[in-house]
Amino acid sequence: DQQVKQNSPSLSVQEGRISILNCDYTNSMFDYFLWYKKYPAEGPTFLISISSIKDKNEDGRFTVFLNKSAKHLSLHIVPSQPGDSAVYFCAASRISGGYNKLIFGAGTRLAVHP
Amino acid sequence: GAGVSQTPSNKVTEKGKYVELRCDPISGHTALYWYRQSLGQGPEFLIYFQGTGAADDSGLPNDRFFAVRPEGSVSTLKIQRTERGDSAVYLCASKLAGGVNEQFFGPGTRLTVL
Repeated sequence: DQQVKQNSPSLSVQEGRISILNCDYTNSMFDYFLWYKKYPAEGPTFLISISSIKDKNEDGRFTVFLNKSAKHLSLHIVPSQPGDSAVYFCAASRISGGYNKLIFGAGTRLAVHP
Repeated sequence: GAGVSQTPSNKVTEKGKYVELRCDPISGHTALYWYRQSLGQGPEFLIYFQGTGAADDSGLPNDRFFAVRPEGSVSTLKIQRTERGDSAVYLCASKLAGGVNEQFFGPGTRLTVL
C-alpha cells in the first residue's frame, strides 16, 4: 500500500518556464513533508520541506504548497533551469509521533530543456 | 565538512554469499537510517538508529538482514545468504537528534547479486 504517490513518472519543461511536481499521500498522520532531488550515482539531496501547520514554504526558486484537506503537495520551480534536471522525490514523516523515518514516493524525472 | 560516506560504492556478489555495507555518518549526527532503493522506486526505509540502539527496525525485510552501530557512529548493514532480489542501491542517511532536521544521504552502495 503506497502511502506517498507521485503519479507522474516524468515531466519535460522548457528553460525559464515553471515546473510543477505533484505528490499525494494517504496517511493523515503525516505532519512533515520534504522534497529531495537526486542526480545519477548520487544520494538524494534535501531541497525544501514544509510542516503540516503551514500551507506554503518558499526558498528562492523553489516553493512547496501543502493542501491538507486534499492530502496533496506540490513543488514549484520557477524559473526552471537545465541544472534542475534530476529525479525529484516527495517524502513524508510523522515527527509528532516520534517517528523519523521517511516514506518516499516513486519519484518524478524532470527534464529542463533549452 | 564531510558528508555521509558509504563503502563500497559497488558490490557484486553471488547468490548465497554474505555481504557487509558500511556507512560513516556526518560527525555529530546521532540519528542514522538505512534505506533501500530498487530500480524505478523511491527509497524504502529499513532501519533507524538513535545512538547505538536500533529504535525502529520495522523495515528490515527478513532475518537475513541485520545492522549494527556499536559506537554510535559508523554503521554496518549485514546481509546473509544473499538473494537476487536483494539487488538494489542501499542508502544511508544521518541527521541531528530531535526536531525536524532533514536527513542527509550518502551516495549509496549498489549491490548486485548474481
